[in-house]
Amino acid sequence: EDQVTQSPEALRLQEGESSSLNCSYTVSGLRGLFWYRQDPGKGPEFLFTLYSAGEEKEKERLKATLTKKESFLHITAPKPEDSATYLCAVQAETSGSRLTFGEGTQLTVNP
Amino acid sequence: DARVTQTPRHKVTEMGQEVTMRCQPILGHNTVFWYRQTMMQGLELLAYFRNRAPLDDSGMPKDRFSAEMPDATLATLKIQPSEPRDSAVYFCASGLVPLHLAGVDQETQYFGPGTRLLVL
Repeated sequence: EDQVTQSPEALRLQEGESSSLNCSYTVSGLRGLFWYRQDPGKGPEFLFTLYSAGEEKEKERLKATLTKKESFLHITAPKPEDSATYLCAVQAETSGSRLTFGEGTQLTVNP
Repeated sequence: DARVTQTPRHKVTEMGQEVTMRCQPILGHNTVFWYRQTMMQGLELLAYFRNRAPLDDSGMPKDRFSAEMPDATLATLKIQPSEPRDSAVYFCASGLVPLHLAGVDQETQYFGPGTRLLVL
């Protein structure tokens, strides 16, 4: 069974204080790992897809990296508008289009 | 601005009543997903369709839930009869698998704003 564990559950940062969110996964053949951002009362918003170990992708203050067992979402000099819940999901080679999501990391960035 | 739309956005109903949720996928997308999100279980896939055909409904309670795609622009999720434990936010998502990548199933899923359901 595919499993995704995200840590920490919640993270509080000061504006400009860089940090990383972790996504550990167990999957029988990884087809892709996805990062989403979810604001309160809204649907998840797509951020990145990573397909193979060593791959990195960047978008503004966010950078996602992937190893064979985990992915990190690095947030550099965060701003209050980066506050949201960040969700990680995996897609297995044997599961069609099914995504298995982690519980998310709730990030709060204080001004 | 292409977006997934869902109606209603909020629904309060009494136990035993029928609930129908609707989703309009992004125009041109050929895959539609239904998810449920709760505090306890997080985000779970209920079912998904490709080119209007159901491909996976293993996450859906079969006795009370049903999902259909009457046409390419409308997906529905129905609960009959509803129960308090069905209270959750239901999300629809859509994606596009190009014909030349059929079988790879590597589409990005774009989510709608959700239907917040409360069953009393």
